[in-house]
Amino acid sequence: AQSVTQPDIHITVSEGASLELRCNYSYGATPYLFWYVQSPGQGLQLLLKYFSGDTLVQGIKGFEAEFKRSQSSFNLRKPSVHWSDAAEYFCAVAAYNNNDMRFGAGTRLTVKP
Amino acid sequence: EAQVTQNPRYLITVTGKKLTVTCSQNMNHEYMSWYRQDPGLGLRQIYYSMNVEVTDKGDVPEGYKVSRKEKRNFPLILESPSPNQTSLYFCASRLAGTSTDTQYFGPGTRLTVL
Repeated sequence: AQSVTQPDIHITVSEGASLELRCNYSYGATPYLFWYVQSPGQGLQLLLKYFSGDTLVQGIKGFEAEFKRSQSSFNLRKPSVHWSDAAEYFCAVAAYNNNDMRFGAGTRLTVKP
Repeated sequence: EAQVTQNPRYLITVTGKKLTVTCSQNMNHEYMSWYRQDPGLGLRQIYYSMNVEVTDKGDVPEGYKVSRKEKRNFPLILESPSPNQTSLYFCASRLAGTSTDTQYFGPGTRLTVL
């Protein structure tokens, strides 16, 4: 079965600085990859997803992610972080039918003024 | 507004007292699922439903039941809750059973079992 590792439990960045959140997956075939954001007290919101095609995926709120098959990674990036980006971020991987969607443990982002 | 709603949002109960957490979606989605979120473990799927009267186990189904009598509702039932079921629960739905459909999440239900 597929699995996801998010190596960073907690990251702190200054407002305006760039951000990269790491995600590594394990899956034998081409994975379907997702990034979700969870603001405090809220449900999960989809930021972006990758199924096929261009390996650089654009999402909402200025986020992007790059699929690198050779590194089994799907890292999330943002060039300039805003205070409102403080939240928990989850990477997820799924198979074709997506009945077995696996989430990483999450990375909590703190934004310093 | 398209949404997934859950009730209650917060619940404190005692061991063995049956409870139900309701989930409803207004998007006419066929697929619905339940997850629990625990620190350091991310989200783990409890049960899912591909359509009315079709349900199946996820990764962590022990101690839970579900039903899907109507398309819009997918309640989670804890017949005899135990403290290890203290967690944050999320209901989710998507249009159908394929990965290309976006999954929408409810706001969560924080359950404490004493």
